[in-house]
Amino acid sequence: SYVLTQPPSVTVAPGMTARITCGGNSLGTKSVQWYQQKSGQAPVLVIYYDSDRPSGIPERFSGSNSGNTATLTISRAEAGDEADYYCHVWDGTDDQYAFGPGTRVTVL
Amino acid sequence: EVMLLESGGDLVQPGGSLRLSCAASGFTFSSHAMSWVRQAPGKGLEWVSEISGSGRATYYADSVKGRFIISRDNSNDTLYLQMDRLGPEDAAIYYCARDRTGTAPFDYWGQGSLVTVSS
Repeated sequence: SYVLTQPPSVTVAPGMTARITCGGNSLGTKSVQWYQQKSGQAPVLVIYYDSDRPSGIPERFSGSNSGNTATLTISRAEAGDEADYYCHVWDGTDDQYAFGPGTRVTVL
Repeated sequence: EVMLLESGGDLVQPGGSLRLSCAASGFTFSSHAMSWVRQAPGKGLEWVSEISGSGRATYYADSVKGRFIISRDNSNDTLYLQMDRLGPEDAAIYYCARDRTGTAPFDYWGQGSLVTVSS
């Protein structure tokens, strides 16, 4: 099965930029999604197809994917951005989905 | 408005069985693949299973293959997950999610149904 890696935690000051990485073998050849999960809530899609934003997601959220690493960037971080963030891909080789282990973002 | 509402979560003994349901509304149910994703207490998200819009194709995580069966009733807009031979490792919140294209993204999620496995 396809394995994704993420840093356990990222801390960012209010108004600054947070970058969350997601690593995987030849990840750049896959389409990466990112989900935000706040405490006690269901996940919410924030980035799909590497860099597209669903309606209602602020422009402060952006994504990129190249080589073996995808990155979720949160610009001008706000207290409301504190959450766990998960990357997600479809692995056509095994016909399975994979989630990264998640990164906790703290705005401090 | 798209809505997904899970039900059926309960306390079950190890080795027991349980069936989860997910009632969908606000979209053409049969046009979308649907997935189950679970989250053990304090842990990350784990994809469990997916079924195509027609129901003809199903996919499973290695951890549940042979024990869980995903199905759907397109006439009643309902997704199911039959879980057999449950173990402590299956205890989790189970979310149903709509798959926009069949290979992600999961653009809508339910609020989850809690499964507890304990004697």
